Amino acid sequence: EVQLVESGGGLVQPGRSLRLSCAASGFTFDDYAMDWVRQAPGKGLEWVSGISWNSGRIGYGDSVKGRFTISRDNAKNSLYLQMNSLRVEDTALYYCVRGRYDDVFDIWGQGTMVTVSS
Amino acid sequence: DIQMTQSPSSLSASVGDRVIITCQASEDISNYLNWYQQKPGKAPRLLIYEASNLDTGVPSRFSGSGSGTDFTFTITSLQPEDIATYYCQQYENLPTFGQGTRLEIK
Repeated sequence: EVQLVESGGGLVQPGRSLRLSCAASGFTFDDYAMDWVRQAPGKGLEWVSGISWNSGRIGYGDSVKGRFTISRDNAKNSLYLQMNSLRVEDTALYYCVRGRYDDVFDIWGQGTMVTVSS
Repeated sequence: DIQMTQSPSSLSASVGDRVIITCQASEDISNYLNWYQQKPGKAPRLLIYEASNLDTGVPSRFSGSGSGTDFTFTITSLQPEDIATYYCQQYENLPTFGQGTRLEIK
């Protein structure tokens, strides 16, 4: 079964850091780009960051550029998101997403909740 | 960034109705457009990719069309299980989503 399982979310104070992880299974991980998409409570979807299969191409949304870093470990079938200088407005459910043809998001995890609050 | 404008933002329709949602891009995105369905409390699901291609296992009552800046998503005969929020997403440049269309049963 193709599956993405996120972990690492939680409650954190503004200005602090958090690292999200995503464990992939059921498919050849290094055949695909991977992305993070978030959804603030009661709001729509926002693309956060994406990484190509070999980490050669990386992109970030304007709201997280300079604060978040995406990475992957193909040997461990894992995707990561290092989030620094967190803000209240980063509060959201963070989805790990598989990118078919790079940015066709065909498989989604169940999400991990990040709450930034003092 | 390319802006995606969905219409309407919410919609109420009866079972069996034809439902149409539109998505307009702020610049030409060719056919680099996807449609997703999100049911309450669930992760989004890919329905349509490259503007008009039905993803595997998606019922044929769903369809998409368009190119350039104007796109349409259609449900030919609304079913109760179609209650959800629908999003368009472009990927001509860094991905961006429309604001979503909440679909309810009348």
